[in-house]
Parts: sequence; C-alpha cells; structure tokens
Amino acid sequence: DIQMTQSPSSLSASVGDRVIITCRAGQLISSYLCWYQQKPGKAPKLLIYGATDLQSGVPSRFSGRGSGTDFTLTISSLQPEDFATYYCQQTYTTPYTFGQGTKLDIK
Amino acid sequence: QLQLQESGPGLVKPSETLSLTCTVSGASISNYYWSWLRQSPGKGLEWIAFTHFSGSSDYNPPLKSRVAISMDTSRNQFSLSLASLTAADTAVYYCARTIRTGDESSFDYWGQGILVTVSS
Repeated sequence: DIQMTQSPSSLSASVGDRVIITCRAGQLISSYLCWYQQKPGKAPKLLIYGATDLQSGVPSRFSGRGSGTDFTLTISSLQPEDFATYYCQQTYTTPYTFGQGTKLDIK
Repeated sequence: QLQLQESGPGLVKPSETLSLTCTVSGASISNYYWSWLRQSPGKGLEWIAFTHFSGSSDYNPPLKSRVAISMDTSRNQFSLSLASLTAADTAVYYCARTIRTGDESSFDYWGQGILVTVSS
C-alpha cells in the first residue's frame, strides 16, 4: 500500500492567514492526489482532484500543487468556515489510501 | 442534486455479518462507480471497495475475503456485506460516488455516514 503522510498533524491559525498543508506519498504517484475537508460529524468533502484541479463549487482560495511524491494544499486567506480537518488521498493505485489528517483550528 | 443515504444496523455482534445499503437519488447508479469507505479513530479513513454496473469491482486486500458488494439498479441502491466482524470493524461507514476518468479517481459525493458498533 502507498503510505500518505501529512504535516503538520495540527495547526492553529487566524482568520485571514495563509495556510499550507503538506502531503508526502511513499512512492511516486504522478498527480493522482485528492484533498478533502471534513467537519465534525460530517462526511469528507472533495476540494481538489488531480493534485491541482478545483472541484466545482469550491472557493478559489483553495489551491493544490505538486506531483511525484510531494504535494501541498494552500488556503490563501482563511475564513471562519475553513476550520476543519483536511485529508490527502492517493488515487494512483488501489487500495486508495489517505493521510492521517491535519486538524486546522482557530488560534 | 445527487444524494446518498446509508442504512443498516447501528449495533452488530462479533462474528456476525454487517449489511449496509446505500440509496442513491439524483443519478442512476448504472452510470458511475460506487464505493464504500469507513472511518475509525484508530485507522483513520479507509477505502473498502468499489463496484460498477458493468461488474468491475475492486477491494482493499485486507478486507477482500470478508467483503461483498452488490448493486440493485431497480431500487438505485448498492450494498456492502462485511463478514466475521470484530471490534476493529467499529467505524463510521460511508458510501460515495467514485469518479474514474482515465487514470484519475475521486470521491465527489458522500453519504452522511452511519456509525456501526461491533459489540456483544
């Protein structure tokens, strides 16, 4: 299985901050990476697919970069509704695997 | 608007078989891939399996021997069966639409999730 490692595991930030979350794959996965946002008691929500493509309806303050093994999710200007847990997921091969999550909370 | 809704028991005994159903509205299940995933505090998010009307399916190897996934196009539902349950199978179970275009995949619509507890 391809191991996905996110950093940091948790992050405190303020409204308006720029935040970067990193995801590293245990082997080359090209651009086959997704990012999801999850709020407590809710299902994950797809934000980014193909490492850089914004899912329809997702605000443009979210962006993804990277290919190969190293990827980032950037939130350009944090909004109150962005405080949540974020997960990366590789879709290069099955079994699809997820990172352990990055919990973003209010400073 | 596409909606998915999981249904099934919230409590199952060890060694028994879990049966969950996902009812889809707003799209025909014949036209897409559909997955089951689960989330537990100990193991995080875990993909279980996907299936397609064509018969194409794939399973997470550690679970493959215990999992069956099926589709009922007349009811626009798909189902998960997980046998020989242990406490380690306690989790929130999600169904999700799986977009597979070329080599890319993503889970773009999810059900709300159903908590399944394995306990005697």
